[in-house]
Amino acid sequence: EVQLVESGGGLVQPGGSLRLSCAASGFTFSTYEMHWVRQAPGKGLEWLSYISSSGKSVNDADSVKGRFTISRDNAKNSLFLQMNSLRAEDTAVYYCTRESRSAIDGSGYFDYWGQGTLVTVSS
Amino acid sequence: QSVLTQPPSASGTPGQRVTISCSGSTSNIGRNTVNWYLQVPGTAPKILIYNINQRPSGVPDRFSASKSGTSASLAISGLQSEDEAVYHCGAWDESLNDWVFGGGTMLTVL
Repeated sequence: EVQLVESGGGLVQPGGSLRLSCAASGFTFSTYEMHWVRQAPGKGLEWLSYISSSGKSVNDADSVKGRFTISRDNAKNSLFLQMNSLRAEDTAVYYCTRESRSAIDGSGYFDYWGQGTLVTVSS
Repeated sequence: QSVLTQPPSASGTPGQRVTISCSGSTSNIGRNTVNWYLQVPGTAPKILIYNINQRPSGVPDRFSASKSGTSASLAISGLQSEDEAVYHCGAWDESLNDWVFGGGTMLTVL
């Protein structure tokens, strides 16, 4: 059974840092591209960061570029999100999600999501 | 402000057919496939439809979707009380080089 379990969320002051982790199991982690997506209270989903299966390629949304860093450890089946210079508007539930590819045309979609970890940025 | 536009709410009675729209632009829905996610409030999203109209195993065929131009729609037939949830559309945007989503549509079964 595929499982993604996030951890590391909590209350942090503006300007502070936090490191989120996502433990993956039930699939060959090293062969899948992974992402972080967040959801602010009462809002829609916002894509944040992408990392290739090898970890050599990353891409970030403009809203977090230069502040958040995605990384992975394939030996430990783990995905990470280092968040620096946190702002009140970063308050959200953070999800790690796996990307799969359609057999029809290779288009991507997020097929498994973790339960999420809440990050609250407040003084 | 979400890149894709969805109505904030929709409703229907049991057994009814309901559709939810998702509007975008050439750079996202116009040139790429659309995925739909279901989220029961307080829980994580789940994939419902991928590649415009493909259903993962376990998703009943009451759920279907389509795309035309820069818009997509999700249809739910034979509405059931357990369908009450938030429905999100998502697509790759090749201009932004980002994955983009709609704001989500809260479906209420009356």
